[in-house]
Amino acid sequence: SQELEQSPQSLIVQEGKNLTINCTSSKTLYGLYWYKQKYGEGLIFLMMLQKGGEEKSHEKITAKLDEKKQQSSLHITASQPSHAGIYLCGAVPVNDMRFGAGTRLTVKP
Amino acid sequence: DTAVSQTPKYLVTQMGNDKSIKCEQNLGHDTMYWYKQDSKKFLKIMFSYNNKELIINETVPNRFSPKSPDKAHLNLHINSLELGDSAVYFCASSLPGLGYTFGSGTRLTVV
Repeated sequence: SQELEQSPQSLIVQEGKNLTINCTSSKTLYGLYWYKQKYGEGLIFLMMLQKGGEEKSHEKITAKLDEKKQQSSLHITASQPSHAGIYLCGAVPVNDMRFGAGTRLTVKP
Repeated sequence: DTAVSQTPKYLVTQMGNDKSIKCEQNLGHDTMYWYKQDSKKFLKIMFSYNNKELIINETVPNRFSPKSPDKAHLNLHINSLELGDSAVYFCASSLPGLGYTFGSGTRLTVV
């Protein structure tokens, strides 16, 4: 099975600071997804990366997939309390999706 | 218009009971899934159906049985509930090569 490791497991940052969350796969990724989950809510799709070296941005969140397609990073610029939640990376082998254990982000005002 | 809807959102039940969680998607997706999220927020796939056909059946107890009456529905029936079954269960759907859409989850508490 596709094993995904996320780091760090939890992160506490001051509002306005930048931060990075990493997701590493033991195998080459066919697709890498980033999701955000707030307590008591469902998973919110952030973005999908498929090509080596691909980079996508949405508002203040940027995600990159490395050339070898085994590592992805999620970068948040000038964090805000609204960014708080659990960030999950998910990988797609075929007709299946595995998730990392998640990174719990707390943003202090 | 909810794309993937799960019911109920919360379920509290006693050990030994049988319960079902329903999932419906109106996206026209071919594949539907059930995931279990444990206390550490780790999501593990349980089942996957493609056009009503079971394609993924991970190692879960036989007490868990998925049922797909049509490709828009995938229900999860659980027999003889145990304390360890307490978790949040997510339904999801997808089309090949596209993103996954998740339901809002069902928080199951077994007491």
